[in-house]
Amino acid sequence: DSGVTQTPKHLITATGQRVTLRCSPRSGDLSVYWYQQSLDQGLQFLIQYYNGEERAKGNILERFSAQQFPDLHSELNLSSLELGDSALYFCASSVASGNYGYTFGSGTRLTVV
Amino acid sequence: AQSVSQHNHHVILSEAASLELGCNYSYGGTVNLFWYVQYPGQHLQLLLKYFSGDPLVKGIKGFEAEFIKSKFSFNLRKPSVQWSDTAEYFCAVNVGIRGSQGNLIFGKGTKLSVKP
Repeated sequence: DSGVTQTPKHLITATGQRVTLRCSPRSGDLSVYWYQQSLDQGLQFLIQYYNGEERAKGNILERFSAQQFPDLHSELNLSSLELGDSALYFCASSVASGNYGYTFGSGTRLTVV
Repeated sequence: AQSVSQHNHHVILSEAASLELGCNYSYGGTVNLFWYVQYPGQHLQLLLKYFSGDPLVKGIKGFEAEFIKSKFSFNLRKPSVQWSDTAEYFCAVNVGIRGSQGNLIFGKGTKLSVKP
């Protein structure tokens, strides 16, 4: 157990639907990062939050959004889902905004059918 | 844009063989470099990291990596692999001083299969 908790572990949904992925960072970590891992694209950075504020944005689609709540947990919302959104979605956390080494969660495997 | 290249998609070795996985990055400024490992069905774990100082970095489980600035490389090595090293290995780079930009750019990963 890395200390970063992601739920759910698996999610199967239909095209056009909307899902929410949840991440609780390791205790004491203020920064949360979301990554998408797919076979063809590898690990792609989506977005970073630090202490409730968006800090950096990567290759995140407009159909995707995220937020970090006062208790520091984060949610990634994926809407109008397409088959190509099927992937592993990882959350990672770190103490500060700069990177001193992440701690990753176990991921949520999303399958869009 | 910064990028990370891992040359080998899949490496197959016998136990006790030596390992070297290549990693090259494209960025001319200050970089922080990382190797992560992902065992089957598990989350990514940090193997080692380089920020500054001695370019030969030792990590967990007997792994080490050497930063060669002139070659933009950060190759991972292990003198003698074990079956338990079977996993996928990811090289990653973060630009700026002390990781000021935060997010990591990952290579596509190298799958290592170790035959008992």
